[in-house]
Amino acid sequence: TQLLEQSPQFLSIQEGENLTVYCNSSSVFSSLQWYRQEPGEGPVLLVTVVTGGEVKKLKRLTFQFGDARKDSSLHITAAQPGDTGLYLCAGASNTGKLIFGQGTTLQVKP
Amino acid sequence: NAGVTQTPKFRVLKTGQSMTLLCAQDMNHEYMYWYRQDPGMGLRLIHYSVGEGTTAKGEVPDGYNVSRLKKQNFLLGLESAAPSQTSVYFCASSSPFPGELFFGEGSRLTVL
Repeated sequence: TQLLEQSPQFLSIQEGENLTVYCNSSSVFSSLQWYRQEPGEGPVLLVTVVTGGEVKKLKRLTFQFGDARKDSSLHITAAQPGDTGLYLCAGASNTGKLIFGQGTTLQVKP
Repeated sequence: NAGVTQTPKFRVLKTGQSMTLLCAQDMNHEYMYWYRQDPGMGLRLIHYSVGEGTTAKGEVPDGYNVSRLKKQNFLLGLESAAPSQTSVYFCASSSPFPGELFFGEGSRLTVL
């Protein structure tokens, strides 16, 4: 069974701080997606990474896919209250399904 | 801009009652999914469908049934609800795997 472990599960920081969220597995994924979910809503796709070592930037968010395609990270620079939410990574497994991590709840205080 | 629509958004059931959650999508997607979300457990796949008339089991299918009679609709049924099925249920649709998942707003179900 392919599993994705996210860390940390909870993060509470002050506005302006930097943070990194990790998504790790012992299995290889063909691609990995990152979603953000706000209270009362469904998750919304932020980015998909496909190639080992790939780095994608979305404004203050930087996503990296590990060289071996077993792990990924999300780095936020100068976090803002609008970044508050639940961040989910999801790996495309070899069984044709997306496997989700447990999620990281981020709270950014003004 | 409807996207994925779930009904109902809230429901309270007594143990043993049955109900159906309806999911409708207007993006002409082949793939549809039902997930449940519980605190600290991310999203777990209940059942999914890769096309009209097809369904398949996900990670946690026990106690649920699904049907995909029309391409745009995916129904999730609970025949005899149990308190362990208290959760938030999300429907999603996508283009062929591993496309972006488009989620509905969720249906919060409480089983007493």
